[in-house]
Amino acid sequence: ILNVEQSPQSLHVQEGDSTNFTCSFPSSNFYALHWYRWETAKSPEALFVMTLNGDEKKKGQISATLNTKEGYSYLYIKGSQPEDSATYLCAFPKNSGNTPLVFGKGTRLSVIA
Amino acid sequence: EAGVTQFPSHSVIEKGQTVTLRCDPISGHDNLYWYRRVMGKEIKFLLHFVKESKQDESGMPNNRFLAERTGGTYSTLKVQPAELEDSGVYFCASSQERLYGYTFGSGTRLTVV
Repeated sequence: ILNVEQSPQSLHVQEGDSTNFTCSFPSSNFYALHWYRWETAKSPEALFVMTLNGDEKKKGQISATLNTKEGYSYLYIKGSQPEDSATYLCAFPKNSGNTPLVFGKGTRLSVIA
Repeated sequence: EAGVTQFPSHSVIEKGQTVTLRCDPISGHDNLYWYRRVMGKEIKFLLHFVKESKQDESGMPNNRFLAERTGGTYSTLKVQPAELEDSGVYFCASSQERLYGYTFGSGTRLTVV
């Protein structure tokens, strides 16, 4: 059974703080890791698709790293803003190719102005 | 390009009633997925269509749920009869063959009372 764990479950930070959270996944049979940003009543927005061990990706003030050997990925937000408040989801494909994703429960980030 | 569209955005029904959710994927996307998020839990896979065929329906909770994708275009998910535990947000996602990108709709929030 594939299991994706995210921590912490929720996080409150002050505007301007930098923060990071973790996604743990099975290290065997790795295909890819997806990060999504989700605001309630909106579509989950794709942030990154990571495929190679040691990958580092960046989008604005958000970046992510990947360690497939130990089965974890970190998402970093530098200088958090209130508009970064959302639930950050990571997901792991069941198999290679276009197969369903197994999601973690997400990390709910609240950035206080 | 238009995104993935879901109707309705919200639905409140009584236990025992029937509800039909609709998803219009991105035009040309062969792969269509249904997911569900029950409050406090992770987004869970329900069903995967490739064109009009059900590729994987291992996530469908029971036979009260029926999904169709006639003609390989839009898809419907019918819940009949609805139970209280069916409440949650139902997401649809689509992707093109051989690519890793999944585009999600904004979901249908179903409340069964």
